[in-house]
Amino acid sequence: EDQVTQSPEALRLQEGESSSLNCSYTVSGLRGLFWYRQDPGKGPEFLFTLYSAGEEKEKERLKATLTKKESFLHITAPKPEDSATYLCAVQAYNTDKLIFGTGTRLQVFP
Amino acid sequence: GAVVSQHPSWVICKSGTSVKIECRSLDFQATTMFWYRQFPKQSLMLMATSNEGSKATYEQGVEKDKFLINHASLTLSTLTVTSAHPEDSSFYICSAMENRDRGRTEAFFGQGTRLTVV
Repeated sequence: EDQVTQSPEALRLQEGESSSLNCSYTVSGLRGLFWYRQDPGKGPEFLFTLYSAGEEKEKERLKATLTKKESFLHITAPKPEDSATYLCAVQAYNTDKLIFGTGTRLQVFP
Repeated sequence: GAVVSQHPSWVICKSGTSVKIECRSLDFQATTMFWYRQFPKQSLMLMATSNEGSKATYEQGVEKDKFLINHASLTLSTLTVTSAHPEDSSFYICSAMENRDRGRTEAFFGQGTRLTVV
């Protein structure tokens, strides 16, 4: 069964304190792994899609990496405005559906 | 990234009435759209997959007669909550899938609709 597990469930960081969020997955043939940011009361905002192991993508203070078992979202020198829930999802080859993890709730304090 | 517009962003309706939510992909064509429901502090729950020109595929436990989905064009899908009841109150989010080359896709989300049934 295709599955996504995100950890930690919640993370509190001081401004400037770098850290990583983990997304472990099992899927019958990975078609894509997606990272989103969601603010309260809003729809998820697209961050990255990774398609194959070894791939990396960056956007401002965020960097996403992918292996055959997991993906990491690295946050470098976070700011309070990076506070949000970060969602990871995978898509298998035989479907268009995305399977979501339960998210990591990130809080960055000044 | 591509833009998906969802309307309305919030709606209050009386019990027993129907409510329609629209989802539009503004700058790309989406052969596949998805409808999700999200409860407070929980992740997204997929309700149905909508394909242009064909019937939607509903997830187990989702009543297709209550949640009517129409994907009339490559840029528009609608979700109608029929005979709404207070337990249907929730945050509904649509997603549109953009096809890229080599079978790759990217999925973009609307802003969400907060439905309150009184």
